[in-house]
Amino acid sequence: KQEVTQIPAALSVPEGENLVLNCSFTDSAIYNLQWFRQDPGKGLTSLLLIQSSQREQTSGRLNASLDKSSGRSTLYIAASQPGDSATYLCATSGESGGSNYKLTFGKGTLLTVNP
Amino acid sequence: GAGVSQTPSNKVTEKGKYVELRCDPISGHTALYWYRQSLGQGPEFLIYFQGTGAADDSGLPNDRFFAVRPEGSVSTLKIQRTERGDSAVYLCASSPHPGTGANVLTFGAGSRLTVL
Repeated sequence: KQEVTQIPAALSVPEGENLVLNCSFTDSAIYNLQWFRQDPGKGLTSLLLIQSSQREQTSGRLNASLDKSSGRSTLYIAASQPGDSATYLCATSGESGGSNYKLTFGKGTLLTVNP
Repeated sequence: GAGVSQTPSNKVTEKGKYVELRCDPISGHTALYWYRQSLGQGPEFLIYFQGTGAADDSGLPNDRFFAVRPEGSVSTLKIQRTERGDSAVYLCASSPHPGTGANVLTFGAGSRLTVL
C-alpha cells in the first residue's frame, strides 16, 4: 500500500525567502504526482501535476521535481509571499496495480510566510 | 457551473442520525470522486463514479456509507447511523474521463460534518 510522507509538517519563513517542501512515497510505480494547495475552509487547488515520464514542472514561482526511482518529489517556491501561506499537499496516483483516478495524499506541510 | 459545488458547507448532527451530502460537479465532467479528510490528515479516497456507476467504492469504510449518482451529474453521499468517528470534511471532486497519465481533479470546498 502506497504511503506518502511530507516533511516538514510545518514551516515558517520570512517574506522573500526561497523554500523547499519535500514529499516521499514508498511505491515508485506511479502514473503521476500532484501538488495541491489547501486554504483554511477551502477545497484543494491543483498547483502542478508531474507525469511519470517527466522530471519537473514549472508554474510561475513554483517548480516541482520528481525522482521516481528514489520515491521523492520537491516543491520549490521562489520569493515567498504572505499570500503563499497555506497547507501544501502532495498526492500520487496509479501505484502498482492501481489506476490513475485514485489519489494517495500525504498529511501536508503547513506553510506560514511572515511579512 | 464554474466549479464543484458542495452542500451543506457545515452539518452538525447527533450520533445515530442519517445525513446526506450533495455534490454538483463541473458540467461535462464524467468522473466524480468523494474523499474524506479528518483533522490533521490528508484526504482519503472513498468512491469514484464514471458516469452513473460506481467504478470503485473500495474506500467506503463500512456499509453505513453509500453514494449515488443517478443521472451522471449530481452525487449524494449518504451516511446512516452516524458515529462520532464520522466527523470529518467530506470533499467532492470531478474531472474529465481519467484516461491515462494526466488527470487533474477539481475539488469543491467540502462539507464539514460534526457528529455530537
